[in-house]
Amino acid sequence: AQKVTQAQTEISVVEKEDVTLDCVYETRDTTYYLFWYKQPPSGELVFLIRRNSFDEQNEISGRYSWNFQKSTSSFNFTITASQVVDSAVYFCALTGGGNKLTFGTGTQLKVEL
Amino acid sequence: GAGVSQTPSNKVTEKGKYVELRCDPISGHTALYWYRQSLGQGPEFLIYFQGTGAADDSGLPNDRFFAVRPEGSVSTLKIQRTERGDSAVYLCASSTNRMGDTQYFGPGTRLTVL
Repeated sequence: AQKVTQAQTEISVVEKEDVTLDCVYETRDTTYYLFWYKQPPSGELVFLIRRNSFDEQNEISGRYSWNFQKSTSSFNFTITASQVVDSAVYFCALTGGGNKLTFGTGTQLKVEL
Repeated sequence: GAGVSQTPSNKVTEKGKYVELRCDPISGHTALYWYRQSLGQGPEFLIYFQGTGAADDSGLPNDRFFAVRPEGSVSTLKIQRTERGDSAVYLCASSTNRMGDTQYFGPGTRLTVL
């Protein structure tokens, strides 16, 4: 069975602080895909990034960066210089050969002025 | 282009009634998924269609839940004899048929069973 753990239920930071959201996963599949989605207060899930199990390169997109480490089964997400608009629930998700996504319970990020 | 659309955005019904929730995927996406999200939780998988057929319905909680996709595009999730525990946001997503491809989500239907 697949499992995604997001141990941080809620994080509060002050604007311009850096923040890292943790994601740990479990799977028996050798080929799998990891995702991060953002769910703002409006409720719609917004895709942020997709990573396959064979690509451990870290990725940076603007203020966002992702650190994928197979050795620790982690796929952490860092927001640099956070902004109020980053306030949302962030979900890490995993899929193996069957395509269905297994989500973590999410991390509520609150960025305050 | 247009994203995934879902109707209605909100549905309030009484216990025991029948409801239908509709999903219109991104044009050209052959894979379509239904998830259910309860308050404070991550989305949970219900069913996955590849074309017209259900490729995986292992997430449907019981036989009151049923989904169809007769022409391989629009899908309808049907819930019979609704119960208060069915109250949740029902999310639809679509993707290409490539393994592990990104799933793009619609805005969801918030179902409230009184």
